[in-house]
Amino acid sequence: GAGVSQSPSNKVTEKGKDVELRCDPISGHTALYWYRQSLGQGLEFLIYFQGNSAPDKSGLPSDRFSAERTGGSVSTLTIQRTQQEDSAVYLCASTFRGRGTVDTFGSGTRLTVV
Amino acid sequence: TQLLEQSPQFLSIQEGENLTVYCNSSSVFSSLQWYRQEPGEGPVLLVTVVTGGEVKKLKRLTFQFGDARKDSSLHITAAQPGDTGLYLCAGLQGAQKLVFGQGTRLTINP
Repeated sequence: GAGVSQSPSNKVTEKGKDVELRCDPISGHTALYWYRQSLGQGLEFLIYFQGNSAPDKSGLPSDRFSAERTGGSVSTLTIQRTQQEDSAVYLCASTFRGRGTVDTFGSGTRLTVV
Repeated sequence: TQLLEQSPQFLSIQEGENLTVYCNSSSVFSSLQWYRQEPGEGPVLLVTVVTGGEVKKLKRLTFQFGDARKDSSLHITAAQPGDTGLYLCAGLQGAQKLVFGQGTRLTINP
């Protein structure tokens, strides 16, 4: 597809379960970001991948959160032992390195922990 | 503590009025972006400003980057109901880390 694709679009999970969220970036984009957005709020930076460089994990809120990017393309954000405060929309974005802007976001995964 | 402070957080005005949204920080950014977000969608990039003092116009929207590259404003002239949405500013720190303000929810009433 032409845009950033995220799946699933919605996920409801029970407290304590693990979840995996997937992001397919635009082909050829070297940089990939994950953000979290609580209801009606701005975006909270989680993690940034750039090529083969070590990812910037400075935004991950706890060690229950992890992410990987395989082959410089698809990325998976994993949340272990989910808590109710993890409920949010998780957004992925991709861009070319050095572009100086981030212009393409996915539609997000709405995670609800019950 | 929010790195980028947007004001106001909520704004409701009548169609045809003008408005300004502010994005302020004590940090310097290499560039600053403005996005608009609709419910259920990701943010859509409106503009990127890079040079201190830069002004960009997009139809009825005027964006300005502060001289010191720490703040920005978005001015909308003759607002229309179609301008309703969540407006987000975001600053690029260095070459890679994009940090967002908390957003301004704008409602234009017919």
